[in-house]
Amino acid sequence: DADVTQTPRNRITKTGKRIMLECSQTKGHDRMYWYRQDPGLGLRLIYYSFDVKDINKGEISDGYSVSRQAQAKFSLSLESAIPNQTALYFCATSDYRTPRSYNEQFFGPGTRLTVL
Amino acid sequence: AQSVTQPDIHITVSEGASLELRCNYSYGATPYLFWYVQSPGQGLQLLLKYFSGDTLVQGIKGFEAEFKRSQSSFNLRKPSVHWSDAAEYFCAVGDNFNKFYFGSGTKLNVKP
Repeated sequence: DADVTQTPRNRITKTGKRIMLECSQTKGHDRMYWYRQDPGLGLRLIYYSFDVKDINKGEISDGYSVSRQAQAKFSLSLESAIPNQTALYFCATSDYRTPRSYNEQFFGPGTRLTVL
Repeated sequence: AQSVTQPDIHITVSEGASLELRCNYSYGATPYLFWYVQSPGQGLQLLLKYFSGDTLVQGIKGFEAEFKRSQSSFNLRKPSVHWSDAAEYFCAVGDNFNKFYFGSGTKLNVKP
């Protein structure tokens, strides 16, 4: 079974609709992240959470919100979707319990979102 | 501010030829550097990482990368490319808070 799962994998929605993307992990990591990927722009950080009570904005948080329901679950919401939010969205996790060991981020399979 | 530049958007190499993908970073402290690969329709898989120590790091699938502090570079290399290496490759730098900054990616095409 995958360690980081995302649902749905694909979603088509209309402008103005509210949509939630969900991420779950079984790695026991404390840190979780949401990115969006656009062609030619790489991955850009939307929000990140270092634990359940610690949520931070990334470089492109406008138009998005998040909820860390538990250590293992981190959801991304688009309150009112717009076409330029059409992108591939990735959830990632990392373990920062040992400073300087600096583990990598582990990525989910992605959610392809289309806003019409 | 932290940033990562991958100067080559697309690269095409022949199968069996050598490969080098360039990555330059901007970061004020000791960088933590990563290379990820994304196959079509897939998520990101870690190829290799550099934290400290030996500046030449070995990764999976026969890839290696060399950290050159003087050039702020972390180029990815492979001596002989296979058709299955066709994918998009991302370089990333991590800061002390484990936030990652990704380059824009390099798409590798492999000619038979």
